[in-house]
Amino acid sequence: DGGITQSPKYLFRKEGQNVTLSCEQNLNHDAMYWYRQDPGQGLRLIYYSQIVNDFQKGDIAEGYSVSREKKESFPLTVTSAQKNPTAFYLCASSITGRDTEAFFGQGTRLTVV
Amino acid sequence: QKEVEQDPGPLSVPEGAIVSLNCTYSNSAFQYFMWYRQYSRKGPELLMYTYSSGNKEDGRFTAQVDKSSKYISLFIRDSQPSDSATYLCAMEKSGAGSYQLTFGKGTKLSVIP
Repeated sequence: DGGITQSPKYLFRKEGQNVTLSCEQNLNHDAMYWYRQDPGQGLRLIYYSQIVNDFQKGDIAEGYSVSREKKESFPLTVTSAQKNPTAFYLCASSITGRDTEAFFGQGTRLTVV
Repeated sequence: QKEVEQDPGPLSVPEGAIVSLNCTYSNSAFQYFMWYRQYSRKGPELLMYTYSSGNKEDGRFTAQVDKSSKYISLFIRDSQPSDSATYLCAMEKSGAGSYQLTFGKGTKLSVIP
């Protein structure tokens, strides 16, 4: 089945540690995105990538880093510089262009303890 | 003023009721409009995608866009308990560049049997 897989579903991190969230898609989509969702805040764009080896900052990129070495994979690293990392993180992908649907993964809930 | 405004609710209706969900926006560059449904602890899934002003119907769901008023709506007829979810409006700007979505905060809907 085609789709987007995020792992792990739940993640706990100690303060001061970096942590990497995985996102893999087998839809052959060019574009991939990372969003953060907080209660009452909706989805906010962290980073996006339209092609391999290229990515752009979204609205809230500070404290995060990404890489896009393969078309299928777009991992997100939450660094210790991110002041409020506890959130629900969503990865999405789409075909680059108009009239396209963004498919979302099932999310990773990160909790800093 | 935020670019996209959406009443977070919560909204509670009896089974069979007609539900109206709304978003307003301030930036006339938004030309593409979407409604996503998100069940608890899951990723959003696309319900409706519209471009033109007017109505678009899909089963029990009708999306309405009024670009002159910068107002979009999602109507759900004969609501079912399985419709209980958070509904997110999303918008995309026209023009060249990345295809970023701007989301509303989401409205939490409960349909009571």
